Amino acid sequence: DAGVIQSPRHEVTEMGQEVTLRCKPISGHNSLFWYRQTMMRGLELLIYFNNNVPIDDSGMPEDRFSAKMPNASFSTLKIQPSEPRDSAVYFCASSHDRVNQPQHFGDGTRLSIL
Amino acid sequence: QKEVEQNSGPLSVPEGAIASLNCTYSDRGSQSFFWYRQYSGKSPELIMFIYSNGDKEDGRFTAQLNKASQYVSLLIRDSQPSDSATYLCAVKGTGGFKTIFGAGTRLFVKA
Repeated sequence: DAGVIQSPRHEVTEMGQEVTLRCKPISGHNSLFWYRQTMMRGLELLIYFNNNVPIDDSGMPEDRFSAKMPNASFSTLKIQPSEPRDSAVYFCASSHDRVNQPQHFGDGTRLSIL
Repeated sequence: QKEVEQNSGPLSVPEGAIASLNCTYSDRGSQSFFWYRQYSGKSPELIMFIYSNGDKEDGRFTAQLNKASQYVSLLIRDSQPSDSATYLCAVKGTGGFKTIFGAGTRLFVKA
């Protein structure tokens, strides 16, 4: 079975540009999570969806960040405008929403803002 | 107090030894407990899960859970250099949505 698929794997762009990260969850999973990971702050939950509905976006750092899940098989995380401090690895994860089901992570997008 | 706490390490053990990784959590309603392994530059990978008090063994890995003490641990027997990674403890409560991750413990296995 295919795992969580993220694109792009790497993104390098200049400050001020719009960045869009994409995620395809595992088929059948109804919860989707966006994380950011840095050496300083570790793994931070940004936002999560259940049945395509955003449940908790309290981890989104600023209004520059937005996320959508238009259907069960696709989600985007957008940063506009991007800043150098947004440089990090962004992970998408998915799971069933049952308490005993673990999250499965994609390979991540390594984002560098120059 | 953090919701899920782990010693950041690094924990250094010789090859062949038992590595013991510990985790405490604050929510007494937590029901599911997971251990992830993350190699440098890679994504977290699920290696163990446990739901009931006691021990659960899978190959060289044993997860231990004590809900009364709000404590979960991971033992790695016969540690190998390839086990060198960061180990993340993760806890899931009621509702089935969010999983809380610890900051991770870095493990080094010396050949």
